[in-house]
Amino acid sequence: QKEVEQNSGPLSVPEGAIASLNCTYSDRGSQSFFWYRQYSGKSPELIMSIYSNGDKEDGRFTAQLNKASQYVSLLIRDSQPSDSATYLCAVNMGSGGYNKLIFGAGTRLAVHP
Amino acid sequence: DTGVSQNPRHKITKRGQNVTFRCDPISEHNRLYWYRQTLGQGPEFLTYFQNEAQLEKSRLLSDRFSAERPKGSFSTLEIQRTEQGDSAMYLCASSHRGTSQETQYFGPGTRLLVL
Repeated sequence: QKEVEQNSGPLSVPEGAIASLNCTYSDRGSQSFFWYRQYSGKSPELIMSIYSNGDKEDGRFTAQLNKASQYVSLLIRDSQPSDSATYLCAVNMGSGGYNKLIFGAGTRLAVHP
Repeated sequence: DTGVSQNPRHKITKRGQNVTFRCDPISEHNRLYWYRQTLGQGPEFLTYFQNEAQLEKSRLLSDRFSAERPKGSFSTLEIQRTEQGDSAMYLCASSHRGTSQETQYFGPGTRLLVL
C-alpha cells in the first residue's frame, strides 16, 4: 500500500463546474496536509494547507480533512481552463520535528471550455 | 526575486559523469529539502538539512549521491557516476523552522537527462 494515494486521472470537468480531488494516506499520526499544483514542466506551488478536521476555504478552493477516515480532499469551484494541471497531495510524515512531505502521484485535472 | 533558486535549470550528461546541482533557499529559511521527481510521479524525499546539519537521508540516496549545505546557506547535490536511472527533476525546497505547519516552498528544479 502506498503511503499517499490519489487517482491519477485525468479528471475532466467543464468550465465553471466543481472539480473534486481526493487523497488517502496511511499514517494515522500525520498532522499536516498540503495541496500543491504543478503545471507541466514546472515545480509544485502551494495551494492550501490544512491541519484540523473539517473544511478550510480560500477563494475558489476548499480543502477538507477527515483524520478518522485518513482522507483529504480539494474542491475547486468555478473551474477555469487555467486550473488544468496536476494536483499533488502531500502529507507530513516527519517524526523528528520537521516536515517530511510524502507526496501522492498526483491527479491530472483538465478543465475544458 | 526572493524565492528558492536552483542552478542549472537543465543538465544533459553522459552516463558515468559526475554532476552537481546548486540550491539557494529563501534567505531567512533555515530548513532545506531535496526531492526527486520522475515522470508521472510525485516528488520523492531525498534529504533534509537544518542549518548546516544533514539530519535525514532517504534510502533512495545511494552512495553515489552526496549533499552538503556549508554554513547553512546554499546547498549542493552531487551525483557521481551517473546512471540513466538518475534522469529526473531534482527539486529543492526551503522552509522556516516552526511547527509542523511550516510550509515548504519549491524552487524551479533542475532537470537531469543522463544519456
